[in-house]
Amino acid sequence: DQQVKQNSPSLSVQEGRISILNCDYTNSMFDYFLWYKKYPAEGPTFLISISSIKDKNEDGRFTVFLNKSAKHLSLHIVPSQPGDSAVYFCAAQLNTGNQFYFGTGTSLTVIP
Amino acid sequence: NAGVTQTPKFRILKIGQSMTLQCTQDMNHNYMYWYRQDPGMGLKLIYYSVGAGITDKGEVPNGYNVSRSTTEDFPLRLELAAPSQTSVYFCASSYKRNYEQYFGPGTRLTVT
Repeated sequence: DQQVKQNSPSLSVQEGRISILNCDYTNSMFDYFLWYKKYPAEGPTFLISISSIKDKNEDGRFTVFLNKSAKHLSLHIVPSQPGDSAVYFCAAQLNTGNQFYFGTGTSLTVIP
Repeated sequence: NAGVTQTPKFRILKIGQSMTLQCTQDMNHNYMYWYRQDPGMGLKLIYYSVGAGITDKGEVPNGYNVSRSTTEDFPLRLELAAPSQTSVYFCASSYKRNYEQYFGPGTRLTVT
């Protein structure tokens, strides 16, 4: 049973525009959320995280929004750059344990 | 500072063979994790450890074993390899709970 879901397998965006990647979760006990970026043949690299006590966190071009009532997480990339083309995974951690649960990923293509 | 290293990068096993995937981190992280990623899927947690001498099962532990005798090393053992274990395996580490994970480059394993 997938507790963290990314319903869009792929997304294409023009360079300079905003990319919005979405993630939904089912368990209200998640208290820490992260976004990772993955290039082919490499391990995921951490992008940005947010605690459940916040609803927004920014780091440069990347902003993560958390809507706890909707159990929804989103990553905004502004402006999008060709180097952002990669697979993006969201992940969540339960407040009762140490495991992380990952979504299935969204492949972002930024078109020059 | 090499971060998280994994060996080997690639391996082909015959059904029934055994092998150990090596993982080492030099960041003095307490938490270490093993994941597998199947095509089109997210990362599934196999085992994790919160410190030397302590290991625990994740979502998909069957067919695998781990040990954690030192802070740095967290090897994953496959006994009696099966085609269902064909996957890409990632090792990760984190400082503690609610901290981001750092991933190794992965091991691509094929069982035929």
